[in-house]
Amino acid sequence: DGGITQSPKYLFRKEGQNVTLSCEQNLNHDAMYWYRQDPGQGLRLIYYSQIVNDFQKGDIAEGYSVSREKKESFPLTVTSAQKNPTAFYLCASNRGQGTYEQYFGPGTRLTVT
Amino acid sequence: SQKIEQNSEALNIQEGKTATLTCNYTNYSPAYLQWYRQDPGRGPVFLLLIRENEKEKRKERLKVTFDTTLKQSLFHITASQPADSATYLCALGGSNYQLIWGAGTKLIIKP
Repeated sequence: DGGITQSPKYLFRKEGQNVTLSCEQNLNHDAMYWYRQDPGQGLRLIYYSQIVNDFQKGDIAEGYSVSREKKESFPLTVTSAQKNPTAFYLCASNRGQGTYEQYFGPGTRLTVT
Repeated sequence: SQKIEQNSEALNIQEGKTATLTCNYTNYSPAYLQWYRQDPGRGPVFLLLIRENEKEKRKERLKVTFDTTLKQSLFHITASQPADSATYLCALGGSNYQLIWGAGTKLIIKP
């Protein structure tokens, strides 16, 4: 079965702790994306990567970090510097290079108290 | 700044009727526009893409129109079914592969 997996589905952390969200894809896609979704708002881009070992900041990168050491994996770390980290986080991928539709994982709901 | 507007109020439609959702945008000239479906607690699923030089696109019971003069896209679901109930998101794209997303419209199809 091809697809994108995100784990865990629900994550709870205390303020001041860093937390890493997992995203893995076996679609052989070059490009991967991290979004944040808050109620009543559109998806906002945190980071994206068009190729292994390269990534760019999106619109709301402050307080987040990523790595892209393997084509299949694009983990997102939510650091303690992120002021309002509680949200639904979505990972997506696509072939890049002119193909535009994005394929999404099931999401991780992060709650920080 | 770029702005996308989708009706924030839920749209209630009787089963069998056509549902029409609207996506308006300002301060942007997209190369293409996409529509996605999102069920509660899940990731969006791609439905249709329409390019700036296309007026209309169809896929089974779905139809999308794109009017770059009005800066508007309409998304139609004909012969609607309760299983079509979901939130529908529109997203605009340009040359850099990044998408700008609307907040979505919740569609409820009543049996």
